[in-house]
Amino acid sequence: KAGVTQTPRYLIKTRGQQVTLSCSPISGHRSVSWYQQTPGQGLQFLFEYFSETQRNKGNFPGRFSGRQFSNSRSEMNVSTLELGDSALYLCASSGRTQYEQYFGPGTRLTVT
Amino acid sequence: TQLLEQSPQFLSIQEGENLTVYCNSSSVFSSLQWYRQEPGEGPVLLVTVVTGGEVKKLKRLTFQFGDARKDSSLHITAAQTGDTGLYLCAGIFGNEKLTFGTGTRLTIIP
Repeated sequence: KAGVTQTPRYLIKTRGQQVTLSCSPISGHRSVSWYQQTPGQGLQFLFEYFSETQRNKGNFPGRFSGRQFSNSRSEMNVSTLELGDSALYLCASSGRTQYEQYFGPGTRLTVT
Repeated sequence: TQLLEQSPQFLSIQEGENLTVYCNSSSVFSSLQWYRQEPGEGPVLLVTVVTGGEVKKLKRLTFQFGDARKDSSLHITAAQTGDTGLYLCAGIFGNEKLTFGTGTRLTIIP
């Protein structure tokens, strides 16, 4: 089986812009979660989607949003980018067991 | 918000030595996972433990879940340079979302 794929792998944006990141889960997985990873805060949960519905949400401002499509692919969007949004954004899918996460390689976002 | 504390935060040892890293919480886990993350990659699931006192082995790695399900440890025997990476524990409390620990960055010196 192919693993979780994320596009793009690297992205440079300017403050105030918006960005959309994409994630394709492992075939057959219906749950997709998004995480933000920074050196200072570690790995923080953004949100989880299951069958096109947001099932869980972390403590991030409304500038962070996501959606899931009928084929389980997911996108996350960050509007009005801030310097502090620079991070590695990881997507993970879950299959047989809800909490066993299979991660993609991440998208490295740099905001200048 | 549940907190998972990992210790040590950084660990640097010679190849061939043994080491143990810890994951602790003040709350009871429903289950706990250990992940390893290498530079430029996402975390990779190593093991899931569910039962208090459970011990699982993965080659030279031994994972233990505390009897009270509030702590876990990862022991590596005869460390190799390929063990270098960020080790993350992640726990489920009740029926909530997965919460990740602060991580232990391990460096094995050849």
